Amino acid sequence: KQEVTQIPAALSVPEGENLVLNCSFTDSAIYNLQWFRQDPGKGLTSLLLIQSSQREQTSGRLNASLDKSSGRSTLYIAASQPGDSATYLCLFWGANSKLTFGKGITLSVRP
Amino acid sequence: DGGITQSPKYLFRKEGQNVTLSCEQNLNHDAMYWYRQDPGQGLRLIYYSQIVNDFQKGDIAEGYSVSREKKESFPLTVTSAQKNPTAFYLCASSPLGGHRTSSYNSPLHFGNGTRLTVT
Repeated sequence: KQEVTQIPAALSVPEGENLVLNCSFTDSAIYNLQWFRQDPGKGLTSLLLIQSSQREQTSGRLNASLDKSSGRSTLYIAASQPGDSATYLCLFWGANSKLTFGKGITLSVRP
Repeated sequence: DGGITQSPKYLFRKEGQNVTLSCEQNLNHDAMYWYRQDPGQGLRLIYYSQIVNDFQKGDIAEGYSVSREKKESFPLTVTSAQKNPTAFYLCASSPLGGHRTSSYNSPLHFGNGTRLTVT
């Protein structure tokens, strides 16, 4: 059974810090890895999608990488801001398997 | 702007009543999904639909029902058989057909959710 793990469950950092959020998966037969942001009481907003043939994707201060051999994706947030405070979820799109979400990392950026 | 609309945002019901959550999309997406989100448990798939008049059970379909009479609409009914219905419900759509397809290149899009409270 595919497992997607995001550790730690919560993270608090001071404003301006560069940070890395991790997403680990057990199945190497991956098609895509997608990162979402969720604000309290809201739906999920897609941040980045990395296809299996890619190693990374960038959008503004966000950079997501994918290492299939180690079963890991990382979301890098540069120069964090209080507005980055949210829960970040990763989604594993696997071959012949269902989509599997991680449980998310709740990020708090302190002013 | 294209998107997914879920209504209402908050819903309150008495135990034993059926309740229907609305999900409408104008993205012309083939596939639509319903997820349930509980604190500490992540998102769990309830039902999904690849095409009109067809839908499949997800991991936690018991106590729920859906219909897909139109491409744009995928309502979810929470029946009285659902033992613990209080939760945050999220609807999503994708331009690809299928939750288990092997050719993904487009992301999931989500609505803003409906918070259901049953007392």
